[in-house]
Amino acid sequence: GDSVTQMEGPVTLSEEAFLTINCTYTATGYPSLFWYVQYPGEGLQLLLKATKADDKGSNKGFEATYRKETTSFHLEKGSVQVSDSAVYFCALITGGNMLTFGGGTRLMVKP
Amino acid sequence: GAVVSQHPSWVICKSGTSVKIECRSLDFQATTMFWYRQFPKQSLMLMATSNEGSKATYEQGVEKDKFLINHASLTLSTLTVTSAHPEDSSFYICSAYLAGGPNEQFFGPGTRLTVL
Repeated sequence: GDSVTQMEGPVTLSEEAFLTINCTYTATGYPSLFWYVQYPGEGLQLLLKATKADDKGSNKGFEATYRKETTSFHLEKGSVQVSDSAVYFCALITGGNMLTFGGGTRLMVKP
Repeated sequence: GAVVSQHPSWVICKSGTSVKIECRSLDFQATTMFWYRQFPKQSLMLMATSNEGSKATYEQGVEKDKFLINHASLTLSTLTVTSAHPEDSSFYICSAYLAGGPNEQFFGPGTRLTVL
């Protein structure tokens, strides 16, 4: 079946540091890929998505590129802020409507 | 973008009572709604999938008599936690999907249930 693996956290960075959260997947067919962010006590917010190979999703300074050859969708941001502290989930949808989530990565950014 | 709301956002109840959580798609008609449960510091766990007008499909290990799901219309699904106990305390999140629309689920803000 489909699966998503993302790096375990917590990831602790200083403000303005570069962020990478790795995400790899296995899926049948051609999935759409997503990054969601969850701030403390809140629900999930879609951060960015990519629907086909080589697409780059971007939002709020975050970006991720759909790499079919490496089955990856790593999340990056050039300069993190304290307000980026949250849990980040990588996920995919294939031909049906079922989402498969990674385990989540907690990011903590210190001033 | 598509907006999904949940009500209530948080609820505290006594053990043995039943609690109903509503999930509404505000600006689109959702052909399918999903209910998730999230324990602290964990990922989302899919509980069930519901299609309007038909019975929900529950994931393995989820008690259908404990977690009653009703999807009466294309904009409303409800989850009722019956005879709630402290171990049912959790964060419940719904999402909605529109067949033929964008291939993604749209999430509600979640409901935090605390059972005393």
